[in-house]
Order: sequence, then structure tokens, then C-alpha cells
Amino acid sequence: SSELTQDPAVSVALGQTVRITCQGDRLRSYYASWYQQKPGQAPVLVIYGKNNRPSGIPDRFSGSSSGNTASLTLTGAQAEDEADYYCDSRDSSGNHVVFGGGTKLTVL
Amino acid sequence: EVQLVETGGGLIQPGGSLRLSCAASGFTVSSNYMNWVRQAPGKGLEWVSVIYSGGSTYYADSVKGRFTISRDDSKNTLYLHMNSLRAEDTAVYYCAREGRSLTYYYMDVWGKGTTVTVSS
Repeated sequence: SSELTQDPAVSVALGQTVRITCQGDRLRSYYASWYQQKPGQAPVLVIYGKNNRPSGIPDRFSGSSSGNTASLTLTGAQAEDEADYYCDSRDSSGNHVVFGGGTKLTVL
Repeated sequence: EVQLVETGGGLIQPGGSLRLSCAASGFTVSSNYMNWVRQAPGKGLEWVSVIYSGGSTYYADSVKGRFTISRDDSKNTLYLHMNSLRAEDTAVYYCAREGRSLTYYYMDVWGKGTTVTVSS
């Protein structure tokens, strides 16, 4: 299966740590990338590869992977981190992109 | 500055056609893998199509045979030609640049999107 599964919603207290997960068979072959999307805005890449952050992304964002599960960890969540988070990978051909259904993160 | 700007969205009747454009600045479209991704109202991200630097193209099953991705190297612009539009094609359409390695892929530059509404 080329599907990626994410929890629809996760919440975290301000300043605490939260992990958002993404499951799928393709993640055994490819690392997931993670995107943050705030309401009315385009997605922004926050993590790619094993654990790479684009320039400008705070180091409280980190990524990891084990078996068929990729994780995005937010250490010390801030109010501005409240957003939808999507993972993506590729199908078995490597030519088709697959997105997870997205996780809505609420910072309490 | 590296930037993507989409244009061409609008209100179109079912069965109609539309062409979206994505103008790039700060990098060369033809040297990169370029994607179209859409997002229906209140829904998640859905990949639509990709064109590789070598010219190969691929499509999601939901649009295959109706949509065509292309680029104009002289204008440094990516296009999405959409035919036989359906109500379910209503979405914000984003273009995005893709980076790759052997074991990971990522879309590192996104436009702000253009809205397509298919309705009578």
C-alpha cells in the first residue's frame, strides 16, 4: 500500500513536547518529509530526509524514523506552532507523491 | 529571491478547461522537478502531477487523461492544462519545487496558490 496514515488531531501544552507520527509501508524505503500549514497559507517544509531542517526552521523541530513510522517531534511547543502538519513520501515507482491525511496540532 | 507565483485560477463551469501558470524566479524551472499539488476546501493536500527536468511527466489517477503538465523554458514557467473539469477539481492549486536524493524527496519551495472553482 502507498498510503500514509496520520492521527487527525493532536494537542500539546505550551512549552511541552509532542510527537506527530506518519505510518506507511513506503517509509521503510524512503524518508518522509514534513510540512507545516497554517490557515490560509501555503505549506512550508519543516523537515526532510533523516533529520534535516531548511534554513529558518527552528531547531525545536526534529524528525526521526523507525520501520514504517516517521515522526515529527516538536520540543518546547510555541503558540505559533499551532497548524496542520503533513507528511509525504513516494509510491513504489518513486514517481507519484503520497501525502498523509494531515494532523491538526493544537497548542493549549 | 527564490519564488513561485501561480495565476490562472477562477470560476469555471463543469466540463470546461483552464490553464494554470506558475512563474518561477531565482531558479530555473527546467533544471528542477516541479509539482502541482491541490487542496480542496477543508481537506488535506493532494498531489496532482510532476514534470521532471528531463521532461517525463506523471499524474495522479484522479486527473490522468484530463490534466497536462508542461513548462516553457523561455518563460521559466510551469503550466497545468486542465480539461473536462469536475466539481471535485475545486481546490487551491499550488506549484512546488522538488528536491531529491536516493532515499528522500521534499518540496522546498511553494507558491501561494491559485483557486479553481468548478460550478455551474
